[in-house]
Amino acid sequence: DQQVKQNSPSLSVQEGRISILNCDYTNSMFDYFLWYKKYPAEGPTFLISISSIKDKNEDGRFTVFLNKSAKHLSLHIVPSQPGDSAVYFCAAADAGKSTFGDGTTLTVKP
Amino acid sequence: ETGVTQTPRHLVMGMTNKKSLKCEQHLGHNAMYWYKQSAKKPLELMFVYNFKEQTENNSVPSRFSPECPNSSHLFLHLHTLQPEDSALYLCASSLGTSGTPYNEQFFGPGTRLTVL
Repeated sequence: DQQVKQNSPSLSVQEGRISILNCDYTNSMFDYFLWYKKYPAEGPTFLISISSIKDKNEDGRFTVFLNKSAKHLSLHIVPSQPGDSAVYFCAAADAGKSTFGDGTTLTVKP
Repeated sequence: ETGVTQTPRHLVMGMTNKKSLKCEQHLGHNAMYWYKQSAKKPLELMFVYNFKEQTENNSVPSRFSPECPNSSHLFLHLHTLQPEDSALYLCASSLGTSGTPYNEQFFGPGTRLTVL
């Protein structure tokens, strides 16, 4: 049973528009949520995170929203840039142990 | 060198070979991790070490043997692997294993392993 799911394997948006990546989880014990970005031939890099006591965290063009009642989080990128094209993984942590989703491949078209 | 490094970047081995993957972190972190990423599957946690002690073994077959001689180095010893073990093996490190911001992990570039 996969505890963290990213139901959209891919997303394509136009440069300058908003990218919204979604993630759902099932384990209510998760208390910290993270987004990672991965370019080909590189390991994932940490992007932004949110604690379960918050519902929003913003860092420049990146905002993560958490809806605990729906067990859903999303990553908003605005405005999207071609350099944002990558695979995005969400992760949920319980006592420090992170569980990752499958990833969503974002393509930002110029 | 900065961050998390992994060697080799690519490895091809036969099922009877013995090889080792190496990971080194230059971040002063106390926790290190091995993950496996197979095609079209999520990252699978294999092992966790905190202050050189193994704290997590995620039901990994014994043909994978980790070693953590100190907080900066992590090895994955491989022997009698199967073709289905072919995958990208990622190493990561973090400040610790619990509490914010200890959850934030820094990944190496990975070793692409092919088992023939």
